Amino acid sequence: SQTIHQWPATLVQPVGSPLSLECTVEGTSNPNLYWYRQAAGRGLQLLFYSVGIGQISSEVPQNLSASRPQDRQFILSSKKLLLSDSGFYLCAWSPWTSDNEQFFGPGTRLTVL
Amino acid sequence: DQQVKQNSPSLSVQEGRISILNCDYTNSMFDYFLWYKKYPAEGPTFLISISSIKDKNEDGRFTVFLNKSAKHLSLHIVPSQPGDSAVYFCAAKSGGSNYKLTFGKGTLLTVNP
Repeated sequence: SQTIHQWPATLVQPVGSPLSLECTVEGTSNPNLYWYRQAAGRGLQLLFYSVGIGQISSEVPQNLSASRPQDRQFILSSKKLLLSDSGFYLCAWSPWTSDNEQFFGPGTRLTVL
Repeated sequence: DQQVKQNSPSLSVQEGRISILNCDYTNSMFDYFLWYKKYPAEGPTFLISISSIKDKNEDGRFTVFLNKSAKHLSLHIVPSQPGDSAVYFCAAKSGGSNYKLTFGKGTLLTVNP
């Protein structure tokens, strides 16, 4: 069966510091990968998606970037965090054969102080 | 512009009764709809989905109804159980190669014993 991992689970970072969140998927090949953010009191907002290694699409302009160095690895980064980057970050995957259902990881709670 | 709306931030029902969660959308290009369940500090779990070619889909205690003319869908949970207490997100996507899921803000369901 497929599993998706995210780490760290929680993170507290000062404003202006860098960020690196990692997501890996097991049990599948060529998954579509996604990064979402849930800000307080809001729904989930798609940040990035990837259909293959090195292929990244950005949904909203922001202080963040994403990379996919390996087939089942997706990384969310920032060079300098802002207070507004605080939130709950979720990685998700969907089979390359069907992008209807997306399956989410456990999430990372990021607090920027 | 919020394309997927869940107008009830919370809902409280008694154990054994029916829970009805509602969702409205504005984008007529949406053709696939999903419901996710989310516990605090966890990633959303996929529950059930429906294609726009159908008006009903059932999976155990969960049934989703779609009214295309009204741009409205609902999730029925019968009978409701205390373990169903969670935030429920409605999501929608349009067809083709569009990978984006657009989420509502969620409804907190509380099932009282």
